[in-house]
Amino acid sequence: GAGVSQTPSNKVTEKGKYVELRCDPISGHTALYWYRQSLGQGPEFLIYFQGTGAADDSGLPNDRFFAVRPEGSVSTLKIQRTERGDSAVYLCASSQGQGGADTQYFGPGTRLTVL
Amino acid sequence: GNSVTQMEGPVTLSEEAFLTINCTYTATGYPSLFWYVQYPGEGLQLLLKATKADDKGSNKGFEATYRKETTSFHLEKGSVQVSDSAVYFCALSVVGRRALTFGSGTRLQVQP
Repeated sequence: GAGVSQTPSNKVTEKGKYVELRCDPISGHTALYWYRQSLGQGPEFLIYFQGTGAADDSGLPNDRFFAVRPEGSVSTLKIQRTERGDSAVYLCASSQGQGGADTQYFGPGTRLTVL
Repeated sequence: GNSVTQMEGPVTLSEEAFLTINCTYTATGYPSLFWYVQYPGEGLQLLLKATKADDKGSNKGFEATYRKETTSFHLEKGSVQVSDSAVYFCALSVVGRRALTFGSGTRLQVQP
């Protein structure tokens, strides 16, 4: 079956611009996660949705970052006033939502470059 | 807080060599432990996991045992193949929180 998909695969923007990154989870998965991976590092947690609501947004670095999941499926990560330090690969994952050891399935990521 | 420390790479081995990648952790709460793998050009995939002390996770010839007394989850394989060349990430989640905390990754290069 289809895995987690993310669009675009690459995004280049200028400092100060607004960007949106999209994630399509595996059908039927109620939990959705966003992570950010800088070069040479492991992914860092940003936010987790259970259904339509953000159950844990403790990883969002500041108020320039926001994410929504209005219908409990597709999610959009929004970054305002982008900065060069936002350049990273943004990863989305989904899971069945059955507990803490739930397997998270990752998408291929969106590589964001802020010039 | 929660943290994962894994050995720095790259680790370079010849085919059929024995592999160990060390992983230790600190956690507030009882963790579940994971190894994820990222093959070249592909996304992160779960390799194996263990959810309680002394559990052994295994998959594709890889094994890791959850050692609470040493707070470790070392990854091992008896005989590596060129196709095992990838970046390996150790990770944890704690009860009540779904977020994964990852180590910085270890690149494995297997030479024929």
